[in-house]
Amino acid sequence: NAGVTQTPKFQVLKTGQSMTLQCAQDMNHEYMSWYRQDPGMGLRLIHYSVGAGITDQGEVPNGYNVSRSTTEDFPLRLLSAAPSQTSVYFCASRLRAGYQPQHFGDGTRLSIL
Amino acid sequence: DQQVKQNSPSLSVQEGRISILNCDYTNSMFDYFLWYKKYPAEGPTFLISISSIKDKNEDGRFTVFLNKSAKHLSLHIVPSQPGDSAVYFCAATEGGGDDKIIFGKGTRLHILP
Repeated sequence: NAGVTQTPKFQVLKTGQSMTLQCAQDMNHEYMSWYRQDPGMGLRLIHYSVGAGITDQGEVPNGYNVSRSTTEDFPLRLLSAAPSQTSVYFCASRLRAGYQPQHFGDGTRLSIL
Repeated sequence: DQQVKQNSPSLSVQEGRISILNCDYTNSMFDYFLWYKKYPAEGPTFLISISSIKDKNEDGRFTVFLNKSAKHLSLHIVPSQPGDSAVYFCAATEGGGDDKIIFGKGTRLHILP
């Protein structure tokens, strides 16, 4: 049981490049989400999904797109990377929305030059 | 506007003593609260949660207290151990509402020998 798997672990991009951060879970969880962690800012919610085909915006959605075509996968897309998107990105999942804790992946460290 | 606030960026506690981490929230619709622990270069790990129908929940050395009237919760760790040195995040959600899990900025706990 791999849990929540994020790829890649590290990535360096140039300003304006596009990229997809991958997230997969093998626990048949309905709910998945993306956060970014910046120094002094804690974990901020980017986008989340309560099930396949359903996505919604979090606290800081601008500059990011998501889709949820399967239960297992929830990719995060940066269409035109900016230095302000330099961060550590975490994907999380939980069995369903409601009174359930989330389980996190180990993160993707992304640098935009 | 921050909905979940952890006002102490860091805390130092002697090994064997009690560690008390505090968290305040502003959204009265939050009814499910969680604590996560995070080591460097790893994803956050779920520690303990509490729903608004309770005022206390225990799990081994960890106890979470909830004061709904004050919109305040705290995490007690007794006794504190060296492995408890980490960043602790408080999080909250409307379990029966929009299901976004919102995190505070975290408190770095140092356990001193």
